[in-house]
Amino acid sequence: GAGVSQSPSNKVTEKGKDVELRCDPISGHTALYWYRQSLGQGLEFLIYFQGNSAPDKSGLPSDRFSAERTGGSVSTLTIQRTQQEDSAVYLCASSLSQDYNEQFFGPGTRLTVL
Amino acid sequence: AQTVTQSQPEMSVQEAETVTLSCTYDTSESNYYLFWYKQPPSRQMILVIRQEAYKQQNATENRFSVNFQKAAKSFSLKISDSQLGDTAMYFCAFIVKTSYDKVIFGPGTSLSVIP
Repeated sequence: GAGVSQSPSNKVTEKGKDVELRCDPISGHTALYWYRQSLGQGLEFLIYFQGNSAPDKSGLPSDRFSAERTGGSVSTLTIQRTQQEDSAVYLCASSLSQDYNEQFFGPGTRLTVL
Repeated sequence: AQTVTQSQPEMSVQEAETVTLSCTYDTSESNYYLFWYKQPPSRQMILVIRQEAYKQQNATENRFSVNFQKAAKSFSLKISDSQLGDTAMYFCAFIVKTSYDKVIFGPGTSLSVIP
């Protein structure tokens, strides 16, 4: 596809369940970012990948959150034992390289934890 | 700590008028890039304009321009001839170039263009 895609677009889950969010970056983009946006709030940086490695995991809110990227392409963000405070829109962005910084954003996944 | 401040949570402007959104940031790094992103109600985040910190000339993209004051660490966005489609949240952000990209976003300004 031409842009960053994310799936699912909406996810409703019960407290305590695990969820997996997927991001397909633009083909050829080596840098990939995950953000969390709570209702009416700004973007909270979660994690950044350069290729398959994550040099900055400082934004992950707890050890229930993890992310991986394989083949320098698709990334998954996993939230274990979800809590109601995890409810938010999770945005993924990719950029061509470290030296070209424009980030292209996906449409986001809206996660609701009941 | 590296931070971005947008002191105007909400703003409104009449259609065809000009509006300026403020942004200040704090970093001790010298190599960084500044951005304004727009997020309309559709939720899709769109890049509005980009400025390299080492460039003194202010970036311009059609009706959008910035006033970059590096010494003051200020990066305001001016929207000329405001249009209804400009209604959105606007986020100021910067990327610090260290061994890896450190990204910081501001809290956003909600702009409403009034017909």
